[in-house]
Amino acid sequence: GNSVTQMEGPVTLSEEAFLTINCTYTATGYPSLFWYVQYPGEGLQLLLKATKADDKGSNKGFEATYRKETTSFHLEKGSVQVSDSAVYFCALSDNVGNEKLTFGTGTRLTIIP
Amino acid sequence: SQTIHQWPATLVQPVGSPLSLECTVEGTSNPNLYWYRQAAGRGLQLLFYSVGIGQISSEVPQNLSASRPQDRQFILSSKKLLLSDSGFYLCAWSVVSSGNTIYFGEGSWLTVV
Repeated sequence: GNSVTQMEGPVTLSEEAFLTINCTYTATGYPSLFWYVQYPGEGLQLLLKATKADDKGSNKGFEATYRKETTSFHLEKGSVQVSDSAVYFCALSDNVGNEKLTFGTGTRLTIIP
Repeated sequence: SQTIHQWPATLVQPVGSPLSLECTVEGTSNPNLYWYRQAAGRGLQLLFYSVGIGQISSEVPQNLSASRPQDRQFILSSKKLLLSDSGFYLCAWSVVSSGNTIYFGEGSWLTVV
């Protein structure tokens, strides 16, 4: 079956530091890949996505590249801000029509001023 | 534009009491609808999904049930809550035109005491 493995948290960084949150996946076929973000006390928001190999998703300074050869979709940001503090979830959809998502366990990110 | 609402936002219920969480989607037709649960310190687990009125698929056996009485309404229920039902419940939707992207509601915090 499908699975998503992401970097264990929590992660604490200083403001303006470089961020990487690792995500690898196992899936049959050609899944779509997603990063969702959950700010404190809120639901999940789509951050970015990529639907095929070598696609790069980007939003709000975050980027992730769909790497089929390494089955990875690592999240990166060059300079984090305090407002980026949240829980980040990597997820995949296996594109068989019902768009069910398989999530990783989430990585809590805290940015300190 | 499409919006999704779920309520109540927070709920404290005694063990053995019933549960009803409601979710409605506006601005779209024939959406796929989902209920996810996020238990404390854990990732997101798909509980139910629905591709149409009266069509419910259960992903995890449990004492919860779901119903879809109208095209854009999805209800999560239980006849008798357990302590282990505590968590953050998220309703979500997708349509073909959203390109495999699932959009989430604000979430409902359930504490069973």
